[in-house]
Amino acid sequence: TQLLEQSPQFLSIQEGENLTVYCNSSSVFSSLQWYRQEPGEGPVLLVTVVTGGEVKKLKRLTFQFGDARKDSSLHITAAQTGDTGLYLCAGARADSNYQLIWGAGTKLIIKP
Amino acid sequence: SAVISQKPSRDICQRGTSLTIQCQVDSQVTMMFWYRQQPGQSLTLIATANQGSEATYESGFVIDKFPISRPNLTFSTLTVSNMSPEDSSIYLCSVGRGRGTDTQYFGPGTRLTVL
Repeated sequence: TQLLEQSPQFLSIQEGENLTVYCNSSSVFSSLQWYRQEPGEGPVLLVTVVTGGEVKKLKRLTFQFGDARKDSSLHITAAQTGDTGLYLCAGARADSNYQLIWGAGTKLIIKP
Repeated sequence: SAVISQKPSRDICQRGTSLTIQCQVDSQVTMMFWYRQQPGQSLTLIATANQGSEATYESGFVIDKFPISRPNLTFSTLTVSNMSPEDSSIYLCSVGRGRGTDTQYFGPGTRLTVL
């Protein structure tokens, strides 16, 4: 069974601080997606990383895919209250063209 | 991307009844998925719905409890049958293009409460 371990599961920090969320696995993924979900809504795709070592930036969010395509991180610089939400990572299995393996989620609260 | 709508957005149901959730997409898609999610937690895949064939269910989910229809490439339904309080959850549909780097796009979810 492929597992995708996401940490931390809960994080509460002050506005302006930096944070990093990690997703790790012992298995290789063909791609990895990061989603953010707000209460009452479905997950919204933030980014897809495909190439080992790839780094993508989305304003204050930096996403990195590990060289071996087994892990990924999401770094938020100078967090804002609007960043509050549930962050989910999901890996696409290398042997499947559609099934995603989901991390447990990180509940992020940014305090003003 | 794709725009996905779900009906109903929420419902409160009595034990023993059934509820059918509809998922409509604004474009034709190959893969449609149904998930269950407890608030603030991760997603659990119930089944994959392919047009023209029977749905593929994940371990722990069976067709008698969660029958799925996929009559065309833009629409699917999930029925939660003979409901119990344990079925209270958020039900989400998503779509994917079936490619190697597959990204999924989600509907807003249906919040179900079973009394």
